[in-house]
Amino acid sequence: QVQLQQSGPGLVKPSQTLSLTCAISGDSVSSNSAAWNWIRQSPSRGLEWLGRTYYRSKWYNDYAVSVKSRITINPDTSKNQFSLQLNSVTPEDTAVYYCAVAGGGYFQHWGQGTLVTVSS
Amino acid sequence: QSALTQPASVSGSPGQSITISCTGTSSDVGGYNYVSWYQQHPGKAPKLMIYEVSNRPSGVSNRFSGSKSGNTASLTISGLQAEDEADYYCSSYTSSSTLRYVFGTGTKVTVL
Repeated sequence: QVQLQQSGPGLVKPSQTLSLTCAISGDSVSSNSAAWNWIRQSPSRGLEWLGRTYYRSKWYNDYAVSVKSRITINPDTSKNQFSLQLNSVTPEDTAVYYCAVAGGGYFQHWGQGTLVTVSS
Repeated sequence: QSALTQPASVSGSPGQSITISCTGTSSDVGGYNYVSWYQQHPGKAPKLMIYEVSNRPSGVSNRFSGSKSGNTASLTISGLQAEDEADYYCSSYTSSSTLRYVFGTGTKVTVL
């Protein structure tokens, strides 16, 4: 059973960088059949897919156009985890952020969620 | 890319059946069999209930079933129970140039 454990700060100042990490147990970030995703949820935007990283003989990334200029998702094979960085945040980035693993076109397992508030 | 359209709320009495619709386009729901459904209780992470239109993960009650016709997918909960009261979201893979996955607007299920 795959388990995802999120960590990171719950408060970020406007214009700064939001950084979260998702530690994986029960699978490998280098798996050839999984994709590692970040999703956020807010009352105004609902559930919103942000991006993913996955390994298929080499590393790939996909990002939602809405955040593409500000987002980076990186794998860390030494720690079996992956991370989210979102730059230049505004109050509109306030949301609950989830990491999730997809084995196909669906999200099989989710992290516990992290409420990130953007405020000075 | 707009969110998939779901009814805001659906209600039913214990033991009844309810159906939640999820309407998209030929670029998402209608174009792929990658429709999935998630149950979310307050303060909790979403939980996968149905994948690839009609498949149930191990451990999910067979009271939950999924189907699709054209650009609309549906989730049916039969034998409604108090524990089914939650928010439900559909999701689909999409060929949109702006993202890979799109979610529904969410449906609040109330057990009367």
